[in-house]
Amino acid sequence: AQKITQTQPGMFVQEKEAVTLDCTYDTSDQSYGLFWYKQPSSGEMIFLIYQGSYDEQNATEGRYSLNFQKARKSANLVISASQLGDSAMYFCAMREGYSSGGYQKVTFGIGTKLQVIP
Amino acid sequence: ETGVTQTPRHLVMGMTNKKSLKCEQHLGHNAMYWYKQSAKKPLELMFVYNFKEQTENNSVPSRFSPECPNSSHLFLHLHTLQPEDSALYLCASSQAPGRSTDTQYFGPGTRLTVL
Repeated sequence: AQKITQTQPGMFVQEKEAVTLDCTYDTSDQSYGLFWYKQPSSGEMIFLIYQGSYDEQNATEGRYSLNFQKARKSANLVISASQLGDSAMYFCAMREGYSSGGYQKVTFGIGTKLQVIP
Repeated sequence: ETGVTQTPRHLVMGMTNKKSLKCEQHLGHNAMYWYKQSAKKPLELMFVYNFKEQTENNSVPSRFSPECPNSSHLFLHLHTLQPEDSALYLCASSQAPGRSTDTQYFGPGTRLTVL
């Protein structure tokens, strides 16, 4: 089974509207972290927001919020008041478990391409 | 310079060439990573270095050889690559890879084309 599932290959949103990007995850760990990254066409992966599995409140960072539903294993990203500069690929990622080297592996989804329409 | 920098940004090489990718982080982090990003595929972790020691090698072919001389610099030496190695190579760094709250910060990537 895939660890991170992003089912929306592409999304369109009108400028100034809100948009939700879906992410579901699969883990048997009790302690894990969920991340969202933005990747513009320039290539750099930009960290947006983090949610810990024990955090009771949804994470927020400016116009970004993470709708965390633990029982459903979903961690959707909500972008409010979309701007043209929000057009990019968005990746959901999860940190869980431990490798033999003491490293917690981060698994990324395949991403959602968001296009903001003027 | 701030954040994570990578050079070169673009690289075209033949299958018999030897080249190196460079990554430098200015964040005071202890861990550095190499990822490969191919079209339509999730990011693939290649190598992890923590305090200059390699802690993860994700079954990467030997034609990719990493080097981490200190916690701020990471290299990826390339030798006799194949066309399927063409991809975006991303470097990242983080403070504490053993913590669930640890966040990786990425560089802009090197777009590699193998002819």
